[in-house]
Amino acid sequence: EAGVAQSPRYKIIEKRQSVAFWCNPISGHATLYWYQQILGQGPKLLIQFQNNGVVDDSQLPKDRFSAERLKGVDSTLKIQPAKLEDSAVYLCASSLSYRGSNSPLHFGNGTRLTVT
Amino acid sequence: KQEVTQIPAALSVPEGENLVLNCSFTDSAIYNLQWFRQDPGKGLTSLLLIQSSQREQTSGRLNASLDKSSGRSTLYIAASQPGDSATYLCAVRIPGAGGTSYGKLTFGQGTILTVHP
Repeated sequence: EAGVAQSPRYKIIEKRQSVAFWCNPISGHATLYWYQQILGQGPKLLIQFQNNGVVDDSQLPKDRFSAERLKGVDSTLKIQPAKLEDSAVYLCASSLSYRGSNSPLHFGNGTRLTVT
Repeated sequence: KQEVTQIPAALSVPEGENLVLNCSFTDSAIYNLQWFRQDPGKGLTSLLLIQSSQREQTSGRLNASLDKSSGRSTLYIAASQPGDSATYLCAVRIPGAGGTSYGKLTFGQGTILTVHP
């Protein structure tokens, strides 16, 4: 099966600019996650979707970050305006999830963002 | 608040050695625990998933154990190979609202493993 697709692979922007990342999950996966991974740390959940509804966005800096999954399939994550501390790898993951499921997460290769 | 800690932060071993990676978590009310591998510049690859009712899972040379009451998990790698060099992360999923599986997955910071020939 095709894996989780993310684009772009790399992005370099100046602070205060805006940037968007795209993710296409594995076909049929209802749950989609966006994680932020700062160098040397484990991934931190930014937002979790179940179909096109938000399940958890408690750690999303909502003053500058936004995400959507309008048709319950692919998703975009946007940062506007970017700060230096946003430099990280942004990982998208998906899982075949339903109530009571223990399905594992499948990750894309991530987008490496550098803010200068 | 669930916190996940992995020890050691880095490990270097000669090829062929058996090794153990450790993961501890502060809240034992977990839904499941998952071990991942991350190669440089890549995303995470799921290795093993242990449900809260299970004690261990095995896949090839990998064996993961879970002691929920003590808040610990170990990943055992037998007969290590240079190709096993990567960062290994553990993550625990807490129950979501109403006991659903939608709870947050919290990661440790990872153990960087180097297996030298």
